[in-house]
Amino acid sequence: EAEVAQSPRYKITEKSQAVAFWCDPISGHATLYWYRQILGQGPELLVQFQDESVVDDSQLPKDRFSAERLKGVDSTLKIQPAELGDSAMYLCASSSGTSGGPDTDTQYFGPGTRLTVL
Amino acid sequence: DAKTTQPPSMDCAEGRAANLPCNHSTISGNEYVYWYRQIHSQGPQYIIHGLKNNETNEMASLIITEDRKSSTLILPHATLRDTAVYYCIVRVFGNEKLTFGTGTRLTIIP
Repeated sequence: EAEVAQSPRYKITEKSQAVAFWCDPISGHATLYWYRQILGQGPELLVQFQDESVVDDSQLPKDRFSAERLKGVDSTLKIQPAELGDSAMYLCASSSGTSGGPDTDTQYFGPGTRLTVL
Repeated sequence: DAKTTQPPSMDCAEGRAANLPCNHSTISGNEYVYWYRQIHSQGPQYIIHGLKNNETNEMASLIITEDRKSSTLILPHATLRDTAVYYCIVRVFGNEKLTFGTGTRLTIIP
């Protein structure tokens, strides 16, 4: 069964350092999402891509966060500089994005990257 | 804000059916009901979705009331591996983001 891949699984960094997370969606999935999940809460969308274009980044803190999906396949989320409040699970999800209906629009999540900022 | 209301926690005996309720009284006619679960320290896992008819797959059954204002996710024979946080989400299909609430923490008791 195809899965969304993420790396690293765990990252510990000091505040003011730069960190980067990588996501490889399910093959053929055009839509890619990055969510952030703070401990005890549900995931919240940071950025959504359709192919290589950003569809929604309204909740992305653009002063320190950036995301790219240059070839419309894998994606990188970067934080620079990291702050203590960035400690969270960063989740990547993908869907086929063909708008063929809800059966093709289901989002599948990767295992996440747990970030700890010291 | 999430458009659903779920109990914060539930317990269920192993081998019994787990019935997880969800209220979505403001659901629109074109919004689907989705269920995901999240086992500790893992990413959310898709379970099932439906519009107005009851749905069943290899993981669970989804029962939606006729007025669509509430639904129940049924795990027919709960196992210890079903211990997780279960999220009920309403959304229009078409690449719309998922808006998660705080979900129901289901604990399966041996």
